[in-house]
Amino acid sequence: GENVEQHPSTLSVQEGDSAVIKCTYSDSASNYFPWYKQELGKRPQLIIDIRSNVGEKKDQRIAVTLNKTAKHFSLHITETQPEDSAVYFCAAQGFGNEKLTFGTGTRLTIIP
Amino acid sequence: KAGVTQTPRYLIKTRGQQVTLSCSPISGHRSVSWYQQTPGQGLQFLFEYFSETQRNKGNFPGRFSGRQFSNSRSEMNVSTLELGDSALYLCASSPPLGSIQYFGAGTRLSVL
Repeated sequence: GENVEQHPSTLSVQEGDSAVIKCTYSDSASNYFPWYKQELGKRPQLIIDIRSNVGEKKDQRIAVTLNKTAKHFSLHITETQPEDSAVYFCAAQGFGNEKLTFGTGTRLTIIP
Repeated sequence: KAGVTQTPRYLIKTRGQQVTLSCSPISGHRSVSWYQQTPGQGLQFLFEYFSETQRNKGNFPGRFSGRQFSNSRSEMNVSTLELGDSALYLCASSPPLGSIQYFGAGTRLSVL
């Protein structure tokens, strides 16, 4: 089955700097890669996603890049703000109705 | 549109007991997935139901079971509870032909 590894497990960044979280996946057939943000005591919420036919996607300060050959994808947050502090999860899903496999999460802390 | 609703929000049980958790998806969503969230383990996939049928299953023991009703509401049952079953149980629903998962607030289960 699919295996998703996520690094780092914790990340502290000065406010205004950039943060990068990386994930690798094992199943070359996976074609959908979402990122979820979970604030303390809240439910996970989708912040951005990418499909395998696209190499990069941006939404304001957030971007995701995908390297299918290397089987890894990354989340980039620029100009970080205190409200970016949360746990971020990457995930991968195979073709069709395959289950979503999550990484173990990255706790991002923005230092004011 | 109402979001995904999970009940109860909190449960305290003792070892050996059984428990049933409920999840009402967003109106029109027919897919419901269940996850176990524990610190450091991320979101572990339990199972997914679609149109009252189990479509995907994770690697959990048979003590964990679920079902889905004709109105797409889903229940998860855990029998013979163990201390290690203490966790936040999240359900998520997806729209038809869609991959995005919308999470409920979760049920926090404590096994004493």
